[in-house]
Amino acid sequence: AQSVTQPDIHITVSEGASLELRCNYSYGATPYLFWYVQSPGQGLQLLLKYFSGDTLVQGIKGFEAEFKRSQSSFNLRKPSVHWSDAAEYFCAVAPNNAGNMLTFGGGTRLMVKP
Amino acid sequence: NAGVTQTPKFQVLKTGQSMTLQCAQDMNHEYMSWYRQDPGMGLRLIHYSVGAGITDQGEVPNGYNVSRSTTEDFPLRLLSAAPSQTSVYFCASSYETASYYNEQFFGPGTRLTVL
Repeated sequence: AQSVTQPDIHITVSEGASLELRCNYSYGATPYLFWYVQSPGQGLQLLLKYFSGDTLVQGIKGFEAEFKRSQSSFNLRKPSVHWSDAAEYFCAVAPNNAGNMLTFGGGTRLMVKP
Repeated sequence: NAGVTQTPKFQVLKTGQSMTLQCAQDMNHEYMSWYRQDPGMGLRLIHYSVGAGITDQGEVPNGYNVSRSTTEDFPLRLLSAAPSQTSVYFCASSYETASYYNEQFFGPGTRLTVL
């Protein structure tokens, strides 16, 4: 069975600082990988996804993520955080033959200091 | 397009009561699913449907029933609510293909409290 671990439950960064959110997965083959963002009281919005090919994936709102097969990781990065990035971030995986069957990590709550 | 809509936004139930959480989408998506979100556990799949008349269980189906009589609607039923079902419930939908992924669109959620 697939699983996802997000080791950091909370992260606080200063506005303008860089950000990296960690995600590790367990799956027998290369899965489909996703990052979602959830603003307070809202549903989930897809930031970016990886299926195959280039291991550095660009998403919306200036986010990017890098797939590292050797480390089973798919970390999310942003070079300069804005106050509006404060939200909860979820990493998710799906089998590469059933892309709708998402398994989510526990989430990382990002707080941004002015 | 309204996207994925869920009603109600908030609900308080007493133990043993029943209720139905509504989910509708207007994007003609074949695939619909229900998740529950609990602190520190992310979202967990309850039930899903790949088309009208077809449903299946996800990771945490106990205590919940679903049916899919139309493409647009996918209600989630709690037959006898328990405090352990206190959670935020999200409905999602996407196109269903056999060969590649289509983005899932999530509704705004229903916050359910069972006393």
